[in-house]
Amino acid sequence: GAGVSQSPSNKVTEKGKDVELRCDPISGHTALYWYRQRLGQGLEFLIYFQGNSAPDKSGLPSDRFSAERTGESVSTLTIQRTQQEDSAVYLCASSLKGQGFSETQYFGPGTRLLVL
Amino acid sequence: KNQVEQSPQSLIILEGKNCTLQCNYTVSPFSNLRWYKQDTGRGPVSLTIMTFSENTKSNGRYTATLDADTKQSSLHITASQLSDSASYICVVYSSGTYKYIFGTGTRLKVLA
Repeated sequence: GAGVSQSPSNKVTEKGKDVELRCDPISGHTALYWYRQRLGQGLEFLIYFQGNSAPDKSGLPSDRFSAERTGESVSTLTIQRTQQEDSAVYLCASSLKGQGFSETQYFGPGTRLLVL
Repeated sequence: KNQVEQSPQSLIILEGKNCTLQCNYTVSPFSNLRWYKQDTGRGPVSLTIMTFSENTKSNGRYTATLDADTKQSSLHITASQLSDSASYICVVYSSGTYKYIFGTGTRLKVLA
């Protein structure tokens, strides 16, 4: 595709429900990142996938958060038992190679999550 | 602690005017620094990337400077346009931790 796509663009859910956010990276990009951006705040690293290596989950805030990636394609970020504090924009980014190469990340438009 | 701080937090200028955004970092070891532009409702888009040995880099009306000794960078916008209204994010890459450290951004508003 032309760029990183994310779906849904907006999601409103009730506290306690589970949500799944999807990211389609640029074709051929081996690295994929998830970030959280709270209103007026900077980007907060969540998780990083690089090819078939074990993901770097060091940024996940709690065990309610998990993410999967199928090979070098689609990734889903799952938030279980959502809390109001989870309300944020969730951004996905991809790069051709991994973090060790310090490449430019290409970001998707984000999913705006609102937990009521 | 690896940190990236940006100032001002927000800025309002008139169309056609110039402005300068600041970024101070304490990231070590330093590898490179990027400036991103994030339009409202969109993901960040890379404007420039600067390595340790580079002092100045331009991209159209955007000029970034880097002083690796004082660990400061600036983004200068010349002859601002309404479309420059966005958040500008400074990101430093640490070659020690292989992490991107994001600043909180400067929100720029250009008025007609």
